[in-house]
Amino acid sequence: AQSVSQHNHHVILSEAASLELGCNYSYGGTVNLFWYVQYPGQHLQLLLKYFSGDPLVKGIKGFEAEFIKSKFSFNLRKPSVQWSDTAEYFCAVRNDYKLSFGAGTTVTVRA
Amino acid sequence: DADVTQTPRNRITKTGKRIMLECSQTKGHDRMYWYRQDPGLGLRLIYYSFDVKDINKGEISDGYSVSRQAQAKFSLSLESAIPNQTALYFCATAGIGETQYFGPGTRLLVL
Repeated sequence: AQSVSQHNHHVILSEAASLELGCNYSYGGTVNLFWYVQYPGQHLQLLLKYFSGDPLVKGIKGFEAEFIKSKFSFNLRKPSVQWSDTAEYFCAVRNDYKLSFGAGTTVTVRA
Repeated sequence: DADVTQTPRNRITKTGKRIMLECSQTKGHDRMYWYRQDPGLGLRLIYYSFDVKDINKGEISDGYSVSRQAQAKFSLSLESAIPNQTALYFCATAGIGETQYFGPGTRLLVL
């Protein structure tokens, strides 16, 4: 069965610090990869996605992610976080028109 | 996202009651999904539908049923609610591009 693992449950950092959230998946075939963000009290919003092509994907709000096929990873990065980046972040893998989600990483940015 | 709406937004019910959560979308998408979100578990797929005549079970369909009344409407029912169905429920839609767009969520409490 396909699974998606997010390495960190909760990350706390200060404004201007760099952020990297890990995501690994177990599916061996062709995958589509996503990162979603859920701000407090809101629904999930798409940050970025990878379908094919350049493995370094740029998304909204300064986020980027790198697909490393050999490592089955799709890690999310942001060079300098802001207080408004406080949210829960979900990695998701699409297989057969269905999404499998990781457990999520809560990111708290302190001013 | 205003294109995907869910009603009600919050609901408190008692064990054994039947309740229905409704989802409507104006994106014109064929594919619709129901997920539940629990702390530390991410989102898990309950049911999904690729068109009006197509209904498929997800990973946690027991205790739930769905109805796809039209392309734009996809309802989730709890036939006899139990406390461990207390969760945040999300509806999502997807078109050809496969990116899923989520509704604002329904917070359900079963007493």
